[in-house]
Amino acid sequence: AQKVTQAQTEISVVEKEDVTLDCVYETRDTTYYLFWYKQPPSGELVFLIRRNSFDEQNEISGRYSWNFQKSTSSFNFTITASQVVDSAVYFCALTQNTGNQFYFGTGTSLTVIP
Amino acid sequence: SQTIHQWPATLVQPVGSPLSLECTVEGTSNPNLYWYRQAAGRGLQLLFYSVGIGQISSEVPQNLSASRPQDRQFILSSKKLLLSDSGFYLCAWSLRGGGYTFGSGTRLTVV
Repeated sequence: AQKVTQAQTEISVVEKEDVTLDCVYETRDTTYYLFWYKQPPSGELVFLIRRNSFDEQNEISGRYSWNFQKSTSSFNFTITASQVVDSAVYFCALTQNTGNQFYFGTGTSLTVIP
Repeated sequence: SQTIHQWPATLVQPVGSPLSLECTVEGTSNPNLYWYRQAAGRGLQLLFYSVGIGQISSEVPQNLSASRPQDRQFILSSKKLLLSDSGFYLCAWSLRGGGYTFGSGTRLTVV
């Protein structure tokens, strides 16, 4: 069975602090894809990153970085020097190689305090 | 480029009234289409997905139904709304193995 767990329901940080959002997944597939989405207060979901199961290289995009570790089934997301505009709900998601369904975590609500 | 349109943005409906939310996609062919619901304070729940015209899979049995009359059109309906149908509804499309692109969502309040 596939499952995505985001244990952190809400996080508050002060602006310019670094923050890491945790994501742990379960799957029996050897090929799968992992995603992070951002949902600002407007509600629209914004795609941030896709990672396939064969690529464990960490990725950095500006202030965002992702740490994918198959050994611990984790795909954590770090925001460096957080800003108020980073305040949003962040979802981690998993899809199988051949499946149609995406499995979402319950989301982590991040509040960055100025 | 691909775009996805979802409307209306907000909707207030009385209990027992019908519902029709529409979603259309442009710039792609034969996409997988999805309806998700996000109840207040909770994560995303997959309601329906479709891999082609007339093909609908339901993930959660409930008061809602979906239809795909055209390749790039996906409709979410209800004959009689319940209070528990209130929430934020998101339409999305994807190609196999790719990321989702979500619509801007419809905030439905059933009163």
